[in-house]
Amino acid sequence: QKEVEQNSGPLSVPEGAIASLNCTYSDRVSQSFFWYRQYSGKSPELIMSIYSNGDKEDGRFTAQLNKASQYVSLLIRDSQPSDSATYLCAVNRGGFKTIFGAGTRLFVKA
Amino acid sequence: SQTIHQWPATLVQPVGSPLSLECTVEGTSNPNLYWYRQAAGRGLQLLFYSVGIGQISSEVPQNLSASRPQDRQFILSSKKLLLSDSGFYLCAWSSRTGREKLFFGSGTQLSVL
Repeated sequence: QKEVEQNSGPLSVPEGAIASLNCTYSDRVSQSFFWYRQYSGKSPELIMSIYSNGDKEDGRFTAQLNKASQYVSLLIRDSQPSDSATYLCAVNRGGFKTIFGAGTRLFVKA
Repeated sequence: SQTIHQWPATLVQPVGSPLSLECTVEGTSNPNLYWYRQAAGRGLQLLFYSVGIGQISSEVPQNLSASRPQDRQFILSSKKLLLSDSGFYLCAWSSRTGREKLFFGSGTQLSVL
């Protein structure tokens, strides 16, 4: 079992729709959870962090965490073509090692 | 504001040749520094991290090494590259109190032929 699992996609949504990206993790003692956006050929960029159960909203982005189910999700409202990228879920158990999933490719159709 | 510089952007090296990638951070002191590698279509793999000058922790045994000669400088090296060393190498930093938030450099695409 991979430590952080994501559906590789591609996830295709029309412009203006809600994109829902999901992630599961295996280590129950994980404490910090992140979403990074990576455009093709570029480096990852941190877009959301979440540390406690529930929802955290930042602009068009909402991160959701359910530690009991070991599940993290990212919702992107009013999706734009510029949101087309690979989204990496990352998990940290409190040390220096952050574990990344392989990413979900999102394609927003204009 | 903090910035991280990484170079070169692309590199093509023959098998058996040496490697040196450099990364510097500006606008912060005592950062934690990291080297990650991303193989095509795969997640990021932590190679090394450093909490201070001369302090290097290795996560994956391999023919790569890292050094931190100055507080904001991190270097990734190899004496002899292997085909399997090809990938996208990323330097990153985090603050001491930043709850593990990572900020990445622009990356180096290394092709070993």
